[in-house]
Amino acid sequence: DTAVSQTPKYLVTQMGNDKSIKCEQNLGHDTMYWYKQDSKKFLKIMFSYNNKELIINETVPNRFSPKSPDKAHLNLHINSLELGDSAVYFCASSQAGGAGELFFGEGSRLTVL
Amino acid sequence: DAKTTQPPSMDCAEGRAANLPCNHSTISGNEYVYWYRQIHSQGPQYIIHGLKNNETNEMASLIITEDRKSSTLILPHATLRDTAVYYCIVRPPRGGADGLTFGKGTHLIIQP
Repeated sequence: DTAVSQTPKYLVTQMGNDKSIKCEQNLGHDTMYWYKQDSKKFLKIMFSYNNKELIINETVPNRFSPKSPDKAHLNLHINSLELGDSAVYFCASSQAGGAGELFFGEGSRLTVL
Repeated sequence: DAKTTQPPSMDCAEGRAANLPCNHSTISGNEYVYWYRQIHSQGPQYIIHGLKNNETNEMASLIITEDRKSSTLILPHATLRDTAVYYCIVRPPRGGADGLTFGKGTHLIIQP
């Protein structure tokens, strides 16, 4: 069983569209994250979320919003997609308290045309 | 989180030990050193972490200097599958929900 799974793995869409990437973890973790890896390969945290707290990286546009139906899922919604949103998005999870060992999904490559 | 400095790239021959250095001269007393790697087109993978003492697991060994200002990740018998970007990260043990801050890492290339 995959510990952290993301869907879709690839997503190609037009500018201005709204899209979602889903993430599920079966590790029983309380904290989940979204990271963005751009074309220069820099990994930047976008959000972290547990059942009590959402921490948003202030550089993330408000077109991006995480939604968590339960603690095993953290979906990423993106409105009004722009060319610069093209990147690989990684979901991750960890035990509550952030002990540092994060488990990452395989990534979702988003291409905005 | 304290900053880390790593060489941008390194080569190592297959079967030899790969030694990846990391400088973290501003590390605080309660901050751990973590190592992750990212194989091409995959998500980052946890390798090892430590505070003061040297650590070893099935993947690697971590050597932390006595003053804790630098560390070395050792892959004892590198294989081609160890080609990846290796990230050295320092952070408090219970940093809350703020995840990890990744730098540029070291691109390790294992040569056949």
